[in-house]
Amino acid sequence: GDSVTQMEGPVTLSEEAFLTINCTYTATGYPSLFWYVQYPGEGLQLLLKATKADDKGSNKGFEATYRKETTSFHLEKGSVQVSDSAVYFCALTSTNDMRFGAGTRLTVKP
Amino acid sequence: EAGVAQSPRYKIIEKRQSVAFWCNPISGHATLYWYQQILGQGPKLLIQFQNNGVVDDSQLPKDRFSAERLKGVDSTLKIQPAKLEDSAVYLCASSVWDRGLEQYFGPGTRLTVT
Repeated sequence: GDSVTQMEGPVTLSEEAFLTINCTYTATGYPSLFWYVQYPGEGLQLLLKATKADDKGSNKGFEATYRKETTSFHLEKGSVQVSDSAVYFCALTSTNDMRFGAGTRLTVKP
Repeated sequence: EAGVAQSPRYKIIEKRQSVAFWCNPISGHATLYWYQQILGQGPKLLIQFQNNGVVDDSQLPKDRFSAERLKGVDSTLKIQPAKLEDSAVYLCASSVWDRGLEQYFGPGTRLTVT
């Protein structure tokens, strides 16, 4: 079945460092891809999405490009802030329900 | 626009007791989802409603879990009797229509079974 694999955490970075969180997927058909963020004590919030190959989703300085050839949707940000500390989930939907990765915890230190 | 509302936010019960969670989706959202998120894992879909009909409940442990969405708006998820392994955060989400579109999540209910 469809699935998402994302890099294990936790990830600890200093403020203004470059962030990459890897995400790869397995799916039949043509899934839509998402990154969700979960701040402490809160529900998941949509961070960005891409619905077809080569689409780039972006929001709040975060970017991810839908790469069909490598079945990937890596999350990047050029300069992280302390406020970006959260758990990040990669997810997909296609003909089935939304499938989530296990999540990657990011901690950004001042 | 108001977000997805859930209550209670926290619940502690003993094993074999029953518990119910409530969710009110975003107005106009036809699709409602219940997820179980165990600590350190991603959310796992338990049940999906389209209006007041069940679309997918293949991962719902039907011997102890039940859910309803009687008027196609708010929904209740019940566990009876609870087991220790049911300790998790229960997330409700809604979307305008069916799969392929982003889902909007509530804050979740953290259940601890002792």
